[in-house]
Amino acid sequence: GDSVTQMEGPVTLSEEAFLTINCTYTATGYPSLFWYVQYPGEGLQLLLKATKADDKGSNKGFEATYRKETTSFHLEKGSVQVSDSAVYFCALSGGVSSASKIIFGSGTRLSIRP
Amino acid sequence: EAGVVQSPRYKIIEKKQPVAFWCNPISGHNTLYWYLQNLGQGPELLIRYENEEAVDDSQLPKDRFSAERLKGVDSTLKIQPAELGDSAVYLCASSSRTGVNTEAFFGQGTRLTVV
Repeated sequence: GDSVTQMEGPVTLSEEAFLTINCTYTATGYPSLFWYVQYPGEGLQLLLKATKADDKGSNKGFEATYRKETTSFHLEKGSVQVSDSAVYFCALSGGVSSASKIIFGSGTRLSIRP
Repeated sequence: EAGVVQSPRYKIIEKKQPVAFWCNPISGHNTLYWYLQNLGQGPELLIRYENEEAVDDSQLPKDRFSAERLKGVDSTLKIQPAELGDSAVYLCASSSRTGVNTEAFFGQGTRLTVV
């Protein structure tokens, strides 16, 4: 079945550092890909999405490009802030076996030091 | 516009007791999801509704879990009896349509502790 694998955390960076969180997926068909973020004490929020190959999703300085050839959707940010500290989930939906349900990775906890 | 509302936020119960969680989705959203999130893991789907019909409940442990979505609006998830391993966060989400561009909006979740 469809699945998502993302790099394990926790990831700790200094403020203004460059961030990459790796995400790869397994799916048949043409899934959409998402990054969700969970700030402390809050619910999951959609951060960005991409619906087809080579699409780039972007929001709040974060970017991710849908790479079908490498089945990847890595999350990047050029300069992180303390307020970016959260848990980040890569997810997919719309594959042959995932259909209309959203399948999540295990999450990566990000901590940013001032 | 109000988001997805869940209650209670926290619940502590003794094992073998029943418990129920309530979810009110975003107005107009036909699709409603219940997800289970164990500590340090990603959410896993328990059940998905399209209006009042449960269209995917393959991951719902039906011996102790039940759910309903009367009138296709708010929903209740019940566990009876609860076990220690049920301690987790139960998330409700809703979306306005199904399909490959589905974006789900999540509530804050109910954190269940079974002692």
